[in-house]
Amino acid sequence: KAGVTQTPRYLIKTRGQQVTLSCSPISGHRSVSWYQQTPGQGLQFLFEYFSETQRNKGNFPGRFSGRQFSNSRSEMNVSTLELGDSALYLCASSIGQGAAFFGQGTRLTVV
Amino acid sequence: KNEVEQSPQNLTAQEGEFITINCSYSVGISALHWLQQHPGGGIVSLFMLSSGKKKHGRLIATINIQEKHSSLHITASHPRDSAVYICAVRSVNDMRFGAGTRLTVKP
Repeated sequence: KAGVTQTPRYLIKTRGQQVTLSCSPISGHRSVSWYQQTPGQGLQFLFEYFSETQRNKGNFPGRFSGRQFSNSRSEMNVSTLELGDSALYLCASSIGQGAAFFGQGTRLTVV
Repeated sequence: KNEVEQSPQNLTAQEGEFITINCSYSVGISALHWLQQHPGGGIVSLFMLSSGKKKHGRLIATINIQEKHSSLHITASHPRDSAVYICAVRSVNDMRFGAGTRLTVKP
């Protein structure tokens, strides 16, 4: 069974640009959550989707958004990038609220 | 004060030693997760607990809901156990994380 796949693995963007990250969950998993990890703040919850609906959202500005498609694949978008958005973005999938399986992450660098 | 506190922050052990990492939380939770993160970023979910104790190989996780405390134990530690261990608590609306414990096991 394929694991959680995140693309791209690495990304360099310029301040002010926008970026879209993709997450393909494990087949059969309908819940996808997103997290940001930085050296200063550690891991922080961004949002959670279940069956195309955003179920929960963390304390992030509106520049951070996401969506989930009917095949459970999810995307997150960050608009008007700031230097502080440089981070490892992790996606995890699960069956409902069960054990989470994480992807390898997308490392975003904003210059 | 962080709602999820882990101790110790850093831990160095000799191969074969018994290791304990602690996690205390101050919020109501539906489940607690122990995660392992190796250099390079990949995260593996080790345990999800809502009560009692779970064991997987050399790893044991316990949780005391009344005390709002969980422990992760590693028996007969090995250099390949070197990683950052992160405690995460799931509440109704979100997931909150401890700062992590960096474990180094020396041969």
